[in-house]
Amino acid sequence: GAGVSQSPRYKVAKRGQDVALRCDPISGHVSLFWYQQALGQGPEFLTYFQNEAQLDKSGLPSDRFFAERPEGSVSTLKIQRTQQEDSAVYLCASSLGGARGYTFGSGTRLTVV
Amino acid sequence: DAKTTQPPSMDCAEGRAANLPCNHSTISGNEYVYWYRQIHSQGPQYIIHGLKNNETNEMASLIITEDRKSSTLILPHATLRDTAVYYCIVSKGGSQGNLIFGKGTKLSVKP
Repeated sequence: GAGVSQSPRYKVAKRGQDVALRCDPISGHVSLFWYQQALGQGPEFLTYFQNEAQLDKSGLPSDRFFAERPEGSVSTLKIQRTQQEDSAVYLCASSLGGARGYTFGSGTRLTVV
Repeated sequence: DAKTTQPPSMDCAEGRAANLPCNHSTISGNEYVYWYRQIHSQGPQYIIHGLKNNETNEMASLIITEDRKSSTLILPHATLRDTAVYYCIVSKGGSQGNLIFGKGTKLSVKP
């Protein structure tokens, strides 16, 4: 597609529930990033993929967070046993690599109740 | 922590040039200066980036000082749709290109 697509756009989860957030990057984009954005704050880095390889997961806040990109295209961010502090907008970005700018999706707003 | 310093907010009159400053005094030689903006309820949008030379595209111009310790993003004719939070980021790009966002500058374009 023309842009980065994320689904669902909104997700409400009960505390303790597992959730899966999907990102469809721009076709051919090698690099894929996940960010978390709390209300009123700038986005914070979670993890980075180059093709199917997860090269950096230093930003994942706990072992409840897991991301994958098995075929080097679509990526899924999974959060197990969600907690209220996980409430945020989760942003996905992709890039052709190098010094090029990233294209961000519109994000998934997760609300844990 | 973000390696840039930006004013928290700025106002600009519609049709006038908006000049957004950014300090990045600790930038290293292989780091680029990137600008993104985020309109309410949308993901960040890439605007422009540069290494040493000034850059211009259809959206904006980027002026980088000779010592590279500061830069200015210029929107030549601001419109109401340019109201957004503008982020100045320094990054090496590529596989080391994790972007570290600060708080940015909230630009309000007023009629």
